[in-house]
Amino acid sequence: GAGVSQSPSNKVTEKGKDVELRCDPISGHTALYWYRQRLGQGLEFLIYFQGNSAPDKSGLPSDRFSAERTGESVSTLTIQRTQQEDSAVYLCASSLSERNYNEQFFGPGTRLTVL
Amino acid sequence: GENVEQHPSTLSVQEGDSAVIKCTYSDSASNYFPWYKQELGKRPQLIIDIRSNVGEKKDQRIAVTLNKTAKHFSLHITETQPEDSAVYFCAASRTPTGGSYIPTFGRGTSLIVHP
Repeated sequence: GAGVSQSPSNKVTEKGKDVELRCDPISGHTALYWYRQRLGQGLEFLIYFQGNSAPDKSGLPSDRFSAERTGESVSTLTIQRTQQEDSAVYLCASSLSERNYNEQFFGPGTRLTVL
Repeated sequence: GENVEQHPSTLSVQEGDSAVIKCTYSDSASNYFPWYKQELGKRPQLIIDIRSNVGEKKDQRIAVTLNKTAKHFSLHITETQPEDSAVYFCAASRTPTGGSYIPTFGRGTSLIVHP
């Protein structure tokens, strides 16, 4: 079946503009994660959704970052008033549930460049 | 919270040699340890994982060992091939007990296999 998809694949924006990144998880996966990966760096956790529970937002770096998820489907990550340090690849991952040891399936990422 | 340290950051080997990547973790409650491989420009993909009830797991040329007492785990790749060249990430997490399931990733090891 289809894997995790993300759009756009690349986004170039000007400093101060808002951007919206989209993630389509694998159908049936209740858990969804957003990560940020700066060039040559590791995976920085941003936010986690599990079913209808309140999201875990503990990784969001500032109040310019927010995310939503509609039920157990699409999620959007919004960055307001973008800054140059927001430039990175934003990865989305989904997994079957949190109840078991479940593999995370990653999307291809959105490469964000803030000029 | 959990803290995962990964070493080395870069590892260069000759084709056919073995490669070992080591990770340490801080949360004694962590019980699931996956390893992800990320080829250049691609998404991370799970290659092997280990749960806390075993000390070693093998899958062809790849093996992972876990020492719960010392809180460290390692990835071993034997008979390395050029296609093993990638960035490898370790992670640690625990099944949730009322909280959320968020893996903590190491900073990654760039493995280069020279033909």
